[in-house]
Amino acid sequence: KQEVTQTPAALSVPEGENLVLNCSFTDSAIYNLQWFRQDPGKGLTSLLLIQSSQREQTSGRLNASLDKSSGRSTLYIAASQPGDSATYLCAVRPGGFKTIFGAGTRLFVKA
Amino acid sequence: EAGVAQSPRYKIIEKRQSVAFWCNPISGHATLYWYQQILGQGPKLLIQFQNNGVVDDSQLPKDRFSAERLKGVDSTLKIQPAKLEDSAVYLCASSLGRLKTRTNTGELFFGEGSRLTVL
Repeated sequence: KQEVTQTPAALSVPEGENLVLNCSFTDSAIYNLQWFRQDPGKGLTSLLLIQSSQREQTSGRLNASLDKSSGRSTLYIAASQPGDSATYLCAVRPGGFKTIFGAGTRLFVKA
Repeated sequence: EAGVAQSPRYKIIEKRQSVAFWCNPISGHATLYWYQQILGQGPKLLIQFQNNGVVDDSQLPKDRFSAERLKGVDSTLKIQPAKLEDSAVYLCASSLGRLKTRTNTGELFFGEGSRLTVL
């Protein structure tokens, strides 16, 4: 059974810091891994999707890496800004249809 | 391109009452999902449709929850009767469909969610 764990559970950093959010999963047989952002009271916004054959994806200040063999993904945020404050969710999709989510990392960036 | 539409955004009911949520997926998306997200937790899949057929409803509390996707487009999720522990955000998502096609990345797209408070 696939399980997804995210660390840290919460993070508070000053503006301008580079930071890393972690996602680990128990079964390496995945189809893709997707990182989402969720603002309070809102739905999920897709940030990056990494296919199982890929090692990383980049979008602006965000970079996500995937290491299937070790069951890990990291989301790197460069030069953090107060607008980055949100909950970040990692979701793993096995070869079937069911996507499994982690509990998220709550990020607060102080101005 | 229009995103996933959900309504209502907010609903407050008393326990034992009923409630219904509506979702319209992105045009052309064959797969539709309903997730339940309790405060502080990640979303949990309730039910998944492929066109108008159910693919997975293993975590749907079938004694009180029901869902349908008539004509393979929009979907309705109903709770009857509601319990206090049903207070959550109900998220609808859609994706293209079968994964074994060259252009289908399997990416999920979510709506804004419907926040339910049961008093």
